[in-house]
Amino acid sequence: EIVMTQSPATLSVSPGERATLSCRASQSVSSNLAWYQQKPGQAPRLLIYGASTRATGIPARFSGSGSGTEFTLTISSLQSEDFAVYYCQQYNNWPRLTFGGGTKVEIK
Amino acid sequence: EVQLVESGGGLIQPGGSLRLSCAASGFTVSSNYMSWVRQAPGKGLEWVSVIYSGGGTYYADSVKGRFTISRDNSKNTLYLQMNSLRAEDTAVYYCARNIVEAAAGDYYYYGMDVWGQGTTVTVSS
Repeated sequence: EIVMTQSPATLSVSPGERATLSCRASQSVSSNLAWYQQKPGQAPRLLIYGASTRATGIPARFSGSGSGTEFTLTISSLQSEDFAVYYCQQYNNWPRLTFGGGTKVEIK
Repeated sequence: EVQLVESGGGLIQPGGSLRLSCAASGFTVSSNYMSWVRQAPGKGLEWVSVIYSGGGTYYADSVKGRFTISRDNSKNTLYLQMNSLRAEDTAVYYCARNIVEAAAGDYYYYGMDVWGQGTTVTVSS
């Protein structure tokens, strides 16, 4: 099983600032990585796939990078609606998908 | 409107059975790759199962032999039959549509783009 590890567990950021979230895979997943956003009481929402391609309707302030085992999600200027939990997901081992433990982005 | 609506969750004793339903609208379940994903209280996301458009099924090791994914094409509905339930199966269960393109035996995956609102399963005596 490919284990996905996210850091930090919690990130405190002020509105308007940049947030950088990390995701590490236990083995190479190439660019087969997605990012999701989840707000309290809601289902996850797809943000990024292919490590760097924004899903339909996702604002340009969200960007993804990386390949192999190291990945980054960057939110360039945090808006109030961006405070949420973010999960990475590998699909290199499709259909056996695995998610990271999540990073909570909270208001500083 | 593309939508998924889960139902069937509830409180069940250990060892019991439950069937979850996921009704789709705006697209055809049988033409897509559909998954169940669960989230234990205060925890992260865990993939549970997938059914391919061609009917093939796969399961996480944690539920293999106990859970069965299926669909009813006439009702455009996805199901998850859960047997021999354990306390560790307690979670919110989401159904989701996978974006997959299959070509010449290869699969090109683009994430889960449509999710239901979730249904809560609590396994407790």
